[in-house]
Amino acid sequence: AQKVTQAQTEISVVEKEDVTLDCVYETRDTTYYLFWYKQPPSGELVFLIRRNSFDEQNEISGRYSWNFQKSTSSFNFTITASQVVDSAVYFCALGGNKLTFGTGTQLKVEL
Amino acid sequence: DGGITQSPKYLFRKEGQNVTLSCEQNLNHDAMYWYRQDPGQGLRLIYYSQIVNDFQKGDIAEGYSVSREKKESFPLTVTSAQKNPTAFYLCASSMSTGEFPASSYNSPLHFGNGTRLTVT
Repeated sequence: AQKVTQAQTEISVVEKEDVTLDCVYETRDTTYYLFWYKQPPSGELVFLIRRNSFDEQNEISGRYSWNFQKSTSSFNFTITASQVVDSAVYFCALGGNKLTFGTGTQLKVEL
Repeated sequence: DGGITQSPKYLFRKEGQNVTLSCEQNLNHDAMYWYRQDPGQGLRLIYYSQIVNDFQKGDIAEGYSVSREKKESFPLTVTSAQKNPTAFYLCASSMSTGEFPASSYNSPLHFGNGTRLTVT
């Protein structure tokens, strides 16, 4: 069975702080995909990144970076110099023989 | 601009009534999905469809029905048999790049803005 755990229910930071959102997954598949989605207050989930299980190279996109570690089954997401516009719910998801979402982390960035 | 349109944004119904949520996409995607989101929970799959006139039950299909008469449209009906229908409903689509459903689990999903259904 697949499982995605986002242990942080809610995180509050002050603008310009760095913040890391944790994602731990469980799967028996040897080939799988990991995703991060952002859900702003408008409700629509926005795709941020996809990684496949064979590519452990970390990725950086602007202020966003992702750390994929197969050894610990984690796919953590870091926002550098957070901004108020980063306030949203962030979902980690695992695609294998099915697509499983974590329960989400509510990020609040305050001035 | 290409995207997914869900309507209405807010919907109120009395208990015992069926209600249909609309979902239209112009992304030319083969696969479409309906998810339900409840507070503190992740998204749970209700139904999905790869091609016209074909759809499959997801994890929580009981009390719901769908149709896929056109590639662009995938309406969801919440029936009176659904015991806890009040929720936020999200429609999504994705490219289908190979054998379904596995390929859809590795393709990014494109979501609509959702419909918040309240049943009293």
